Amino acid sequence: DTGVSQNPRHKITKRGQNVTFRCDPISEHNRLYWYRQTLGQGPEFLTYFQNEAQLEKSRLLSDRFSAERPKGSFSTLEIQRTEQGDSAMYLCAVGDETQYFGPGTRLLVL
Amino acid sequence: QKEVEQNSGPLSVPEGAIASLNCTYSDRGSQSFFWYRQYSGKSPELIMFIYSNGDKEDGRFTAQLNKASQYVSLLIRDSQPSDSATYLCAVASSASKIIFGSGTRLSIRP
Repeated sequence: DTGVSQNPRHKITKRGQNVTFRCDPISEHNRLYWYRQTLGQGPEFLTYFQNEAQLEKSRLLSDRFSAERPKGSFSTLEIQRTEQGDSAMYLCAVGDETQYFGPGTRLLVL
Repeated sequence: QKEVEQNSGPLSVPEGAIASLNCTYSDRGSQSFFWYRQYSGKSPELIMFIYSNGDKEDGRFTAQLNKASQYVSLLIRDSQPSDSATYLCAVASSASKIIFGSGTRLSIRP
C-alpha cells in the first residue's frame, strides 16, 4: 500500500467526452505529481503541485488538460474533449525526496 | 538522444543468478536517482534510491552510481521468479524535473 488511492481505476469513454480523475493521498504530502504512461514507455511528467500551488506543467499538458489541488490534499485531473491519443495510464505520485505512485487510472478513448 | 536511456530487454537471467540493469543519463546536473519495479498492469513501485557516488545496498538489491560516467545501475542478487518485471530508472535534477527511462524487461527463468 503506497498510501495513495486513485479513482476510477478504469475509464472507457467516447472521443469528445470529458473525463475527471481523482487522486487521494492517505497522509499529508507537500508534493503531488501527475504522470501519463503509455505501453512500453516510462511515466511522462504532466504537472506538479507544492501544496495547493501548481508549480510546473509539461508541454505535454495541452489546454484540454487541467489539474487542481484545492486544499493541498486530494487532486483532480480533467481532460476535456478527449482524443484517442489520450488513452494511457494516468498516475498520481506523492512524496518530497522520493515519489510513491498510486495504482493509476487506465483511460481508454474509443 | 533520450535524457534517460535503458536497454529495453528482455534480459533473461537464470534463477539464483545476479541480474544487472543499467541506465545512462544526459543531464550532468542530475542529483537524485531512483529504481522502480513495475509488474504488468500495475503502477511503478520504488525499490531503491541513491544520491551519492558509489554503492548502496538494501537486501538483495544494490544500486551503483557513477556521476562522472553518468551511469547508474541496479544489481539483483539471488534472482527469484518474482523479480520478473520491468525496471524503470528515474533521474531528477530538481523537484519537478524527474525523467524516467523506458524500462528494461527482466525475466528470471527457473
